[in-house]
Amino acid sequence: EVQLLESGGGLVQPGGSLRLSCAASGFTFSSYAMSWVRQAPGKGLEWVSTISGSGTDTYYADSMKGRFTISRDSSMNMLYLQMNSLRAEDTAVYYCAKGRHGTSGFCDYWGQGALVTVSS
Amino acid sequence: EIVLTQSPATLSLSPGERATLSCRASQSVSTYLAWYQQKPGQAPRLLIYDASYRATGIPARFSGSGSGTDFTLTISSLEPEDFAVYYCQQRSNWAITFGQGTRLEI
Repeated sequence: EVQLLESGGGLVQPGGSLRLSCAASGFTFSSYAMSWVRQAPGKGLEWVSTISGSGTDTYYADSMKGRFTISRDSSMNMLYLQMNSLRAEDTAVYYCAKGRHGTSGFCDYWGQGALVTVSS
Repeated sequence: EIVLTQSPATLSLSPGERATLSCRASQSVSTYLAWYQQKPGQAPRLLIYDASYRATGIPARFSGSGSGTDFTLTISSLEPEDFAVYYCQQRSNWAITFGQGTRLEI
């Protein structure tokens, strides 16, 4: 059974940093792209970033480029999102999601999400 | 950035009826389009990928069609559990975007 468990969310001040983690199990982690997708309270879905199964290719939404960094550790089956220079508008539930294959941006399994609140 | 526009914003139907949801792209995305269902307090669920392929475990009453800029999600006969918010997503050139969602209500 595929399981994705996010951790690391919480309250952070504007300008601060936070690292989200996602523990993956139930599939061959290195064979699949992984993504982060966020959802602000009461709003729709917003793509954040995707990393290929091999880890060699990374993609970001324009508003996150230069501030967020996606990475993976296939030896530990872990996905990460390092978030710097956080703004109030980054407040959202952040979902970790598994791609359909090694380079897919379509996500067939999702975690339950980690809430990030950016506020002073 | 490719903008996806979903219509209608809200669709009010009854169980047993047919639902037709639309997603229009600001430029061609070929068939690189997916549909997701999201219920309150839950993560999204992949329904359709590559415009017309049902994801694993998705009932046959869900179908997707279209290519280029115009796409449709059809639910042939609504079940009570189908009332939710539906999002389309495109992944052209790795500038992924979602539509704003269609709320399907009873």
